[in-house]
Amino acid sequence: DGGITQSPKYLFRKEGQNVTLSCEQNLNHDAMYWYRQDPGQGLRLIYYSQIVNDFQKGDIAEGYSVSREKKESFPLTVTSAQKNPTAFYLCASKTGTPNTGELFFGEGSRLTVL
Amino acid sequence: QQPVQSPQAVILREGEDAVINCSSSKALYSVHWYRQKHGEAPVFLMILLKGGEQKGHEKISASFNEKKQQSSLYLTASQLSYSGTYFCGRTIRGGSNYKLTFGKGTLLTVNP
Repeated sequence: DGGITQSPKYLFRKEGQNVTLSCEQNLNHDAMYWYRQDPGQGLRLIYYSQIVNDFQKGDIAEGYSVSREKKESFPLTVTSAQKNPTAFYLCASKTGTPNTGELFFGEGSRLTVL
Repeated sequence: QQPVQSPQAVILREGEDAVINCSSSKALYSVHWYRQKHGEAPVFLMILLKGGEQKGHEKISASFNEKKQQSSLYLTASQLSYSGTYFCGRTIRGGSNYKLTFGKGTLLTVNP
């Protein structure tokens, strides 16, 4: 079955540690996105990538980094520079032209900083 | 930066209608609507494209006013399964890139 797989589902980390969230899709989608979800804040865009080897900052990119070396993979690293990293992280992908096509979301990764 | 949704929350009885609004301060290329149930990933409902084309859900409709940079989602004869948080997303252009950002959501509760 085609879809988006995020791992791990739950992650705990100590302050000062970097952590990488995995996002893999087998939908053959060109565009991939990372969103952060906090209560009452909706979905805020962290980074997005429209093609392999290219990505753009979203609205809250500070303290995060990404790579897009393969079409199917778009990992997100939460660095120690992110001041408040505890949140629910959603990865998504889509097909179509850049301004069309529905987003398919993964099941999310919940990060808790202790 | 985020599109603005209203209302923040609405409570309905089964069978009643609701309208959720979404506005943007920036020019829109397309508007997306998604529904998220508690503990689940958002699910696609509708996309409205510049020029009026609409694709999506058979029981939920939406409008897109390009001039006013606004969209509205219409839920008629609501069912219990309509409960959830509704997000509007907008695509805006930055050079050769198209950024898809979402509002803060509208929590819809449908009671029997």
